[in-house]
Amino acid sequence: QSVLTQPPSVSAAPGQKVTISCSGSSSNIGNNHVSWYQQIPGTAPKLLIYESNKRPSGIPDRFSGSKSGTSATLGITGLQTGDEADYYCGASDSSLSVLWVFGGGTKVTVL
Amino acid sequence: EVQLVQSGAEVKKPGESLKISCKGSGYGFNTHWIAWVRQMPGKGLELMGIIYPDDSDTRYTQSFQGQVTISTDKSFDTAYLQWNSLKASDTAMYYCARRGVYSSAPYDYWGQGTLVTVSS
Repeated sequence: QSVLTQPPSVSAAPGQKVTISCSGSSSNIGNNHVSWYQQIPGTAPKLLIYESNKRPSGIPDRFSGSKSGTSATLGITGLQTGDEADYYCGASDSSLSVLWVFGGGTKVTVL
Repeated sequence: EVQLVQSGAEVKKPGESLKISCKGSGYGFNTHWIAWVRQMPGKGLELMGIIYPDDSDTRYTQSFQGQVTISTDKSFDTAYLQWNSLKASDTAMYYCARRGVYSSAPYDYWGQGTLVTVSS
């Protein structure tokens, strides 16, 4: 059971919007930024969002992030078949010696 | 260009030892944390442990403490993950990833993964 809680799966039709939630606590999301990772099947995870709402170079603005209190949200608009992947949230965690925690992951299915 | 390049896939028998590697390039290897992350078949990401190459500060998630050893060779900008006695349950994909030292730093670059298969 992960410290950060995500829904196991979400789905929507092409062109629609999905949101993925990530719930934590004061030791992680409540006092630190959140990052999001996309893992397309058979590939390594890739950074999608950092510092809760910033996109690395090359990430389209269809992907957005937000944070409020001890929760964060990843939004994907204009859903494409290529967005079908697993998405993980992550955050610094001051209560852990490894200083970090990942969520359990959410499978996005494009119907 | 920042890159983390991992060693190739391994097939081992239970009880055998193994050391896999992750070579960094294109950035200051010594001043970024390196993490090892396990992903068992069909499962999520599990952070096994981290190492800071500059002073070899090494930390393990409790469930991996004593099961693996993380090390680094600064002269080769390479981090390692080692098992002394593999079990079938160690079969997984293993990723290395780097992270900066500031508190909000994400894991921004990842290796391509090393698939470890343990089977008799």
